[in-house]
Amino acid sequence: EVVLTQSPATLSLSPGERATLSCRASQSISNYLVWYQRKPGQAPRLLIYDTSNRATGIPARFSGSGSGTDFTLTISSLEPEDFAIYYCQQRGNWPLTFGGGTEVQI
Amino acid sequence: EVQLVESGGGLVQPGRSLRLSCAASGFTFDDHAMHWVRQAPGKGLEWVSGISWNSGSIVYGDSVKGRFTISRDRAKNSVYLEMSGLRVEDTALYYCVKGTSYSCTHPFDSWGQGTLVTVSS
Repeated sequence: EVVLTQSPATLSLSPGERATLSCRASQSISNYLVWYQRKPGQAPRLLIYDTSNRATGIPARFSGSGSGTDFTLTISSLEPEDFAIYYCQQRGNWPLTFGGGTEVQI
Repeated sequence: EVQLVESGGGLVQPGRSLRLSCAASGFTFDDHAMHWVRQAPGKGLEWVSGISWNSGSIVYGDSVKGRFTISRDRAKNSVYLEMSGLRVEDTALYYCVKGTSYSCTHPFDSWGQGTLVTVSS
């Protein structure tokens, strides 16, 4: 199975700062990488699909890039509501797999 | 508004069976693949199983293959997960998840609140 490794595990930043989250796949998944945001007590929210496509209603400060095995989620300027856990997920190979998550904390 | 309501979780002994249900509303059920994703205590998200819009494609994670069976009922707008041969490591919060489109390969865009399965003697 494709193992997704997210780094760092925790990112401590302040509102207004730029966040850069990494997701590395154990083998190539082309561009089939998805990002979700999860806040405490809430269900995950789809942010980005297929590396760089924002889901409906997702602000432009969220962007994704990468291909093959290395992917990045960037939040250009953190808003207070962006502090959450971010998961990557690959849909290029069976079984579908998730990364372990990166917590973006204040 | 999309709603996914899971039920059927509980405490069960190792080796026994349990059936989870998910009632879906707020969208055209027949147009979307559905999945089960779980999260064990203190662990990350693990995809369990998916079923395409017409049940023509059914897929399982390696850890549940041969023990779990996913199905859907279009008349009831529901999806099910029949779990047998349960193990302690199956203990988790099980989420019903909606795919963005008809195929099991598409991303997930709606999640239920989950139903807790505890496997213990």
